[in-house]
Amino acid sequence: QKEVEQDPGPLSVPEGAIVSLNCTYSNSAFQYFMWYRQYSRKGPELLMYTYSSGNKEDGRFTAQVDKSSKYISLFIRDSQPSDSATYLCAMTVSNDYKLSFGAGTTVTVRA
Amino acid sequence: EAGVTQFPSHSVIEKGQTVTLRCDPISGHDNLYWYRRVMGKEIKFLLHFVKESKQDESGMPNNRFLAERTGGTYSTLKVQPAELEDSGVYFCASSQEGTGWWYEQYFGPGTRLTVT
Repeated sequence: QKEVEQDPGPLSVPEGAIVSLNCTYSNSAFQYFMWYRQYSRKGPELLMYTYSSGNKEDGRFTAQVDKSSKYISLFIRDSQPSDSATYLCAMTVSNDYKLSFGAGTTVTVRA
Repeated sequence: EAGVTQFPSHSVIEKGQTVTLRCDPISGHDNLYWYRRVMGKEIKFLLHFVKESKQDESGMPNNRFLAERTGGTYSTLKVQPAELEDSGVYFCASSQEGTGWWYEQYFGPGTRLTVT
């Protein structure tokens, strides 16, 4: 069983739709949860991080963590074609730099 | 502020040859990491430097891989001799000391290595 599971998609939505992405994990010790965005031929770019359970909002992006279910989500509101990218979840425990990544979900927002 | 840079962007070598990848972290970032993504798999941790000191190389696949960080600045990752299974994208990341140093990692664009 993989430590972090993420549906690779691909996911295609019309412009303006809400994009919903999620990951599940098996290690209950994970405390820090990150979402990265990766454009083609570029490196992963840190979008948001969340500590423990709860929600965090940053502009059009909302990250949710449910530790009881070992489930994290990223929502993108009012999606734009520029949001088309691969989104990776990553997680770790406190003071552990070895991030555990999901496989990434490829998202296309159609104009 | 310049981001993490990596060179070359793409390298194609034959099995048995040697390749050296270079990473320049963000200026002032003491922590430097190497990760790798092989086809169809997740990004996996390889090793971690703090300044010039190699802190953790638990993710290095075998002794054909050698990483160095000269003077705590740029880092190189040498693969010698390269095997077919070494093909993939090698990412470098860096982070600065302080709150969140372990999860706030900034990634470079990666070096795509193809071993034929």
